[in-house]
Amino acid sequence: AQSVAQPEDQVNVAEGNPLTVKCTYSVSGNPYLFWYVQYPNRGLQFLLKYITGDNLVKGSYGFEAEFNKSQTSFHLKKPSALVSDSALYFCAVSTSSNTGKLIFGQGTTLQVKP
Amino acid sequence: NAGVTQTPKFRVLKTGQSMTLLCAQDMNHEYMYWYRQDPGMGLRLIHYSVGEGTTAKGEVPDGYNVSRLKKQNFLLGLESAAPSQTSVYFCASRTTGGITGELFFGEGSRLTVL
Repeated sequence: AQSVAQPEDQVNVAEGNPLTVKCTYSVSGNPYLFWYVQYPNRGLQFLLKYITGDNLVKGSYGFEAEFNKSQTSFHLKKPSALVSDSALYFCAVSTSSNTGKLIFGQGTTLQVKP
Repeated sequence: NAGVTQTPKFRVLKTGQSMTLLCAQDMNHEYMYWYRQDPGMGLRLIHYSVGEGTTAKGEVPDGYNVSRLKKQNFLLGLESAAPSQTSVYFCASRTTGGITGELFFGEGSRLTVL
């Protein structure tokens, strides 16, 4: 069975500092990996995805993520955090063998303080 | 551009009552999903559909039924609501990229079962 783990319930960073939100996955077959962001009382919004190719993926709002096959990780990063980045972040995975199911991690709350 | 629309946005039910949540998308997407979001548990897949007339079970299908009679609509039904079904429900549809495409989410439907 495929699964996604986000080991941190909350990440706190100061504005202007780099941020990392961690994600690890467990699948059989090639993974397709996604990051989504959720602002309060809103639906999830797509940030970026890794399908194949370059391990460093760039997405919306200055975010990027690095796919590491040996560590089965897909950490979300941003060089300089903004207060407006404060939100709930979800990592998700699907594979070529599961007819479209997308499995989400439990989410990590990012708090950026001025 | 409406995207994914969920109705109703809020609903309070008594135990044993039934209701239907409607999801409509105007993007001609093949894949549609129903998730529930609970604190600390992320998003869990209830049911999904890979095309008109098809449905499949996700991680937590018990107590729910779905139908996809028209491509643009995906209905989630609760036949006999239970307090454990108190949650925020999200509908999503997926781009024509199939299993590598990103999800587009509705704004959510908050259901309380007393």
